Amino acid sequence: SQKIEQNSEALNIQEGKTATLTCNYTNYSPAYLQWYRQDPGRGPVFLLLIRENEKEKRKERLKVTFDTTLKQSLFHITASQPADSATYLCALASNSGYALNFGKGTSLLVTP
Amino acid sequence: EPEVTQTPSHQVTQMGQEVILRCVPISNHLYFYWYRQILGQKVEFLVSFYNNEISEKSEIFDDQFSVERPDGSNFTLKIRSTKLEDSAMYFCASSALAGVDEQFFGPGTRLTVL
Repeated sequence: SQKIEQNSEALNIQEGKTATLTCNYTNYSPAYLQWYRQDPGRGPVFLLLIRENEKEKRKERLKVTFDTTLKQSLFHITASQPADSATYLCALASNSGYALNFGKGTSLLVTP
Repeated sequence: EPEVTQTPSHQVTQMGQEVILRCVPISNHLYFYWYRQILGQKVEFLVSFYNNEISEKSEIFDDQFSVERPDGSNFTLKIRSTKLEDSAMYFCASSALAGVDEQFFGPGTRLTVL
């Protein structure tokens, strides 16, 4: 069956450090992968999309890598701030392309 | 900035009752979705809707669920006979394109079934 796995344990880091979150998947052949942010009690908010032919994508302090051989994406937040504290979700599209299948997410806590 | 809106923010109902959750997607978007998130669990896809018909649905979306776009702006999710296990946060989302495109999520409706 298809699976999307993200670190279930919360990640605690100090302000200013780089946070690295991992997303591993099985039984997908994705053309692209998306990352979303979710704050408690709120809907997911889109952050970045990376295509299979892109090794790396950047947006401000965010960087995503995508290794289709390892079936893994890494999500980095550089110079992290307390405002970055949230749950970060990895998402892959279904075979039809309509549905998004989400990982359970990794909770990030950035402390001053 | 355009956003997806949902009403109500919180709905409490008795088991066996019908509920309708309402959403107003972003106006120029063509694809509409419902997801749910049970407390402490992952966001789960329910259904996608395009051109006035369901384009994909998950195993969760059984005969108790239906969706409708009754006019040019609203998109609704109906649960005919609610069960305790339907208690969850329900998110509506929309996108301009299918596939390679970001989805914009609403703030959610928290459904509590007693």
